[in-house]
Amino acid sequence: DIQMTQSPSSVSASVGDRVTITCRASQGISNWLAWYQQKPGKAPKLLIYAAARLQSEVPSRFSGGVSGADFTLTISSLQPEDFATYYCQQAYGSPYTFGQGTKVEIK
Amino acid sequence: EVQMLESGGSLVQPGGSLRLSCVASGFTFNTYAMTWVRQAPGKGLEWVSTITASSSIILYTDSVKGRFTISRDNSKNTLYLHMDSLRAEDTAVYYCAKDLMSMGATTYYFDSWGQGTLVTVSS
Repeated sequence: DIQMTQSPSSVSASVGDRVTITCRASQGISNWLAWYQQKPGKAPKLLIYAAARLQSEVPSRFSGGVSGADFTLTISSLQPEDFATYYCQQAYGSPYTFGQGTKVEIK
Repeated sequence: EVQMLESGGSLVQPGGSLRLSCVASGFTFNTYAMTWVRQAPGKGLEWVSTITASSSIILYTDSVKGRFTISRDNSKNTLYLHMDSLRAEDTAVYYCAKDLMSMGATTYYFDSWGQGTLVTVSS
């Protein structure tokens, strides 16, 4: 199985900060990677797919990238509604594994 | 508007069975692969199973193979998950989710989700 490792597991940040979350796959997955946002008690929401494609109606402050073996989710200017848990997920092969999550908290 | 509504979750004893349903609306159900994803209390997301639009391809995570069965009724816009031999570790909120792309290109990206239904396995 492909293991997805996110870092950090949590981050404290202020409104307006730039936040970057990293996800690394245990083997090559090309660009078959998605990012989801989940708020407490709610279903996940797709933000980014194919590593860098912004899902429809997702604000442009969210962006996805690749740097070597690392995939990144960047929030360019954190907004109050962005405090949530973020998950990466590989879509390369079954089982379609998720990272363990990164909680973005208010500093 | 795309909507999925799950139902069927409840408290069940270890070894018991349960069938979850997910009724979809707002899109052409019979052209999209559908997936079940679960989340144990306080834990992360876990992919459980996917069925393609025509049911030609069905996939499961190893921990549910032989115990869970995914199916769909395209005439009723409904996805199912039949769960047998339930274990305590199956306790979770179960979400149904729609694939990003329609027929011919299952992406395994999930762009719309239901609100989830809670399954609790306990004696």
